[in-house]
Amino acid sequence: EADIYQTPRYLVIGTGKKITLECSQTMGHDKMYWYQQDPGMELHLIHYSYGVNSTEKGDLSSESTVSRIRTEHFPLTLESARPSHTSQYLCASSEYGVGDKGTQYFGPGTRLLVL
Amino acid sequence: RKEVEQDPGPFNVPEGATVAFNCTYSNSASQSFFWYRQDCRKEPKLLMSVYSSGNEDGRFTAQLNRASQYISLLIRDSKLSDSATYLCVVNIGGPFNTDKLIFGTGTRLQVFP
Repeated sequence: EADIYQTPRYLVIGTGKKITLECSQTMGHDKMYWYQQDPGMELHLIHYSYGVNSTEKGDLSSESTVSRIRTEHFPLTLESARPSHTSQYLCASSEYGVGDKGTQYFGPGTRLLVL
Repeated sequence: RKEVEQDPGPFNVPEGATVAFNCTYSNSASQSFFWYRQDCRKEPKLLMSVYSSGNEDGRFTAQLNRASQYISLLIRDSKLSDSATYLCVVNIGGPFNTDKLIFGTGTRLQVFP
């Protein structure tokens, strides 16, 4: 089992609220990622980090922001939630292994519903 | 056209059946390949990596054809517990030595008694 955690697991919140989705891993992985997945659709990368103090935007444009102050922690923040932000947010981490370059381990996800 | 294409299914098969999933990818510079399994409302979990020589893990066999940009997964002797969505995943590599995984939409498998 991967040691990567996300909280909260479910969040229902009103429009305009600021929210932070937490993600932490205890595997010492340098690389961490945030994906967004709508029901029945593929995962889309919205943010990634290759180490402490690095953050980059992914392919899918997102109004969220991330920070990476510690190796194990990669929180995602929405300053003002909107109904269009309703989705599942999945955090992942990875470390190169010979022969398995690219293997990522996922947290359980946060299901966000913005009313 | 999607970068990774899969038949969405669903594939409804009886226990004990053999089922094959296919996947094609468009980026010829893709570096590594995987099958992930995603249960309903859960996170994706790595099922197996896929190598050009083909590889097997118990009842699961994966094949990669780089020339055709085609990946397959064969499940023999299906179990009820195999019911899930199977995601074809390709790593095209990202900047700063990161991985950039491209996910297919998945093929849903439903195994019935």
